[in-house]
Amino acid sequence: GNSVTQMEGPVTLSEEAFLTINCTYTATGYPSLFWYVQYPGEGLQLLLKATKADDKGSNKGFEATYRKETTSFHLEKGSVQVSDSAVYFCALSPLSGGYNKLIFGAGTRLAVHP
Amino acid sequence: EAGVAQSPRYKIIEKRQSVAFWCNPISGHATLYWYQQILGQGPKLLIQFQNNGVVDDSQLPKDRFSAERLKGVDSTLKIQPAKLEDSAVYLCASSLGGPNEKLFFGSGTQLSVL
Repeated sequence: GNSVTQMEGPVTLSEEAFLTINCTYTATGYPSLFWYVQYPGEGLQLLLKATKADDKGSNKGFEATYRKETTSFHLEKGSVQVSDSAVYFCALSPLSGGYNKLIFGAGTRLAVHP
Repeated sequence: EAGVAQSPRYKIIEKRQSVAFWCNPISGHATLYWYQQILGQGPKLLIQFQNNGVVDDSQLPKDRFSAERLKGVDSTLKIQPAKLEDSAVYLCASSLGGPNEKLFFGSGTQLSVL
């Protein structure tokens, strides 16, 4: 079946530190991969996506590369800010039947302190 | 543009009572999703509509949960009777409907079953 596994949180970093949040997936075929973010008090919103192997999604200084050989989609940012504190969800869409259907990981909470 | 609207924001009920949640998607979005997010877990898809037809309800506990999408726009999700394990945040999302289209999420309804 289809599933997503994320590293457990919380991840606590100092401002300007390097961030990596690991994500691996299990899927039949070639899914599309996503990172969604949930800031405190807000709804989930798309951060970035990649739709085929070796694609790199990027947004707001975050990036993730679709690695088919390791079935991974790790999220990275070179220098985090306090405003990046949020819960980050890795997700895949198996695109079965042509419809977009998201399967989420458990989420990783990031706390950045000054 | 207006986002996905959900109501109520919070609901507290006793087990065996019934409850209903309402969702108004972004205008023009063909696909509507209901997700259940239990504390500490990622969102789990309950049901997906394409216009007013059901695309996927494989994880909807049909003995107690029901959902409808009126005229392909608004949607309601009902639980009757509620159980303690239904305590969760119920998220509504919508998208244009094509493969890899971004999902827009509402803020959710937090349900507590006592």
